[in-house]
Amino acid sequence: KAGVTQTPRYLIKTRGQQVTLSCSPISGHRSVSWYQQTPGQGLQFLFEYFSETQRNKGNFPGRFSGRQFSNSRSEMNVSTLELGDSALYLCASSWAGPDEKLFFGSGTQLSVL
Amino acid sequence: GENVEQHPSTLSVQEGDSAVIKCTYSDSASNYFPWYKQELGKRPQLIIDIRSNVGEKKDQRIAVTLNKTAKHFSLHITETQPEDSAVYFCAATPKAAGNKLTFGGGTRVLVKP
Repeated sequence: KAGVTQTPRYLIKTRGQQVTLSCSPISGHRSVSWYQQTPGQGLQFLFEYFSETQRNKGNFPGRFSGRQFSNSRSEMNVSTLELGDSALYLCASSWAGPDEKLFFGSGTQLSVL
Repeated sequence: GENVEQHPSTLSVQEGDSAVIKCTYSDSASNYFPWYKQELGKRPQLIIDIRSNVGEKKDQRIAVTLNKTAKHFSLHITETQPEDSAVYFCAATPKAAGNKLTFGGGTRVLVKP
């Protein structure tokens, strides 16, 4: 069974640009969550989608947004990139309900220059 | 919201010794506590989890204990091996928060041969 797949693996952008990251969950998983990982702030929750609806949201500015498609695949978008957005963005999927086990993808390493 | 503190931030042990990592949480509504292991350049992997209706759980050389009254939980690794070297993260979430995990800051474990 394929794991959580994230594309692209690496991304380099400049300040002010926007970026879209993609996540394909494990087959059958309906919940997709996004996390930002940085050396200084650790792992921080961005948002969670379930059945194409945002179920939870973290404390990130509105420049960070996401969506989920009917096949459970998810995308996150960051607009007007800032240097501080450089991070590893991790996607995690789970079956359905809350406090189900989360399985992470390998992440997208975003560098903003 | 939930706040999770993790100690120590680094831990060096001799191969064969035990390692203990401790986490405290603030939200008494939290009821799911997973532990993740992240090797350098790789995805976080779930190694063990515990729910609030259980005080202890073991899986081979790994065990987790939970003290709901004191709001802390711990990871115990016995007979450590070089392949246990990694960063370990604890996390907590209240059931009502869905899959919104709040992570501790991480513990870098080095097992010396």
